Amino acid sequence: DGGITQSPKYLFRKEGQNVTLSCEQNLNHDAMYWYRQDPGQGLRLIYYSQIVNDFQKGDIAEGYSVSREKKESFPLTVTSAQKNPTAFYLCASNTGLAGGTDTQYFGPGTRLTVL
Amino acid sequence: GDSVTQMEGPVTLSEEAFLTINCTYTATGYPSLFWYVQYPGEGLQLLLKATKADDKGSNKGFEATYRKETTSFHLEKGSVQVSDSAVYFCALRRGNTGGFKTIFGAGTRLFVKA
Repeated sequence: DGGITQSPKYLFRKEGQNVTLSCEQNLNHDAMYWYRQDPGQGLRLIYYSQIVNDFQKGDIAEGYSVSREKKESFPLTVTSAQKNPTAFYLCASNTGLAGGTDTQYFGPGTRLTVL
Repeated sequence: GDSVTQMEGPVTLSEEAFLTINCTYTATGYPSLFWYVQYPGEGLQLLLKATKADDKGSNKGFEATYRKETTSFHLEKGSVQVSDSAVYFCALRRGNTGGFKTIFGAGTRLFVKA
């Protein structure tokens, strides 16, 4: 079955540590995204990538970094510069077809907690 | 800039009641409109979508019609079930927006009582 996998499901980080969240898709999608969701709030875009080896900052990129070395993979690193990283992180992808009509698919999410 | 506004929740209904969740948007051009559903502890799932004016999206008894004249995309269901309890997000995307970003509303939490 095609889909998006995220790992781990739960992640605990100590103050000052960098952590990397995994996102893999086998949908053959060109575009991939990382969102942050805080309790009772909507989704905020962290980074997005329309093609391999290219990515752009979203609305809240400070304290985060990404890479896109393979079409299938878009890992997110939460650095120690992110002052309030405790949140639910969602990865998504879509074909990236012109017109914006294509559906965006989401992974199951990773819940990050800073201890 | 583009934006999506949803009615604030939570919305609490009894089983078999009629559901409406209001959604209005601001965007230039002709965006595609989406409704997503999120169950506790999970990612978002597409519920339905409409890509041009007057289109009606439908799925699992839910419906929404793309109304360009009122810039709205209200979600409706004739008879809700306990299993419909979730958070619902309205969203839009324009193809000529940089990076094809999706703009999400804040979400509306629905509780359905048996």
